[in-house]
Amino acid sequence: DAGITQSPRHKVTETGTPVTLRCHQTENHRYMYWYRQDPGHGLRLIHYSYGVKDTDKGEVSDGYSVSRSKTEDFLLTLESATSSQTSVYFCAISDHTRGTVYNEQFFGPGTRLTVL
Amino acid sequence: GENVEQHPSTLSVQEGDSAVIKCTYSDSASNYFPWYKQELGKGPQLIIDIRSNVGEKKDQRIAVTLNKTAKHFSLHITETQPEDSAVYFCAASDQTGANNLFFGTGTRLTVIP
Repeated sequence: DAGITQSPRHKVTETGTPVTLRCHQTENHRYMYWYRQDPGHGLRLIHYSYGVKDTDKGEVSDGYSVSRSKTEDFLLTLESATSSQTSVYFCAISDHTRGTVYNEQFFGPGTRLTVL
Repeated sequence: GENVEQHPSTLSVQEGDSAVIKCTYSDSASNYFPWYKQELGKGPQLIIDIRSNVGEKKDQRIAVTLNKTAKHFSLHITETQPEDSAVYFCAASDQTGANNLFFGTGTRLTVIP
């Protein structure tokens, strides 16, 4: 998984509680991404980061926030979890610093989140 | 934004036969089209990609073709093996500064021994 770890790998929580998922990379890649994967929807981008403290929204960002204080860590926070946020969450990394516009992304192992 | 459609959603083939998965995209400016393989319980793995300046790319038993005029691209797997069984996703990049990827909904391929 290209030097990417995600924690926790599984989590069960209750509606209304805050949840933070962590993505850690050892590749020193500039770009990091958070996706959610749901049946019938493929992978949808939640938020991404193009550098320390530089983040932007993806197509399904409502209800999520992110932070990146170090190159190697990208955190996804659900401020008040809802049942619709039950999903598998994947982190991905990409190295745009080589000057290519071809966004080769490499994925972590995923976190399965269940909101009861 | 970019919209990617993928067909079929499920595909079963006999071992040794070929498998073809097709995708269409909406943004004519897209120029990068990767394919990912996802095994059960794992993250998607990049298996091959194609850039808009070529029409076909091969890597052993896997090939991808691109028709920019029609805005569609396809994954071809020849001489399928049981270990090819997985979910396959196509994607296309948009042309914003971030070149984000937009994914199809996936194809579950089953290779029957």
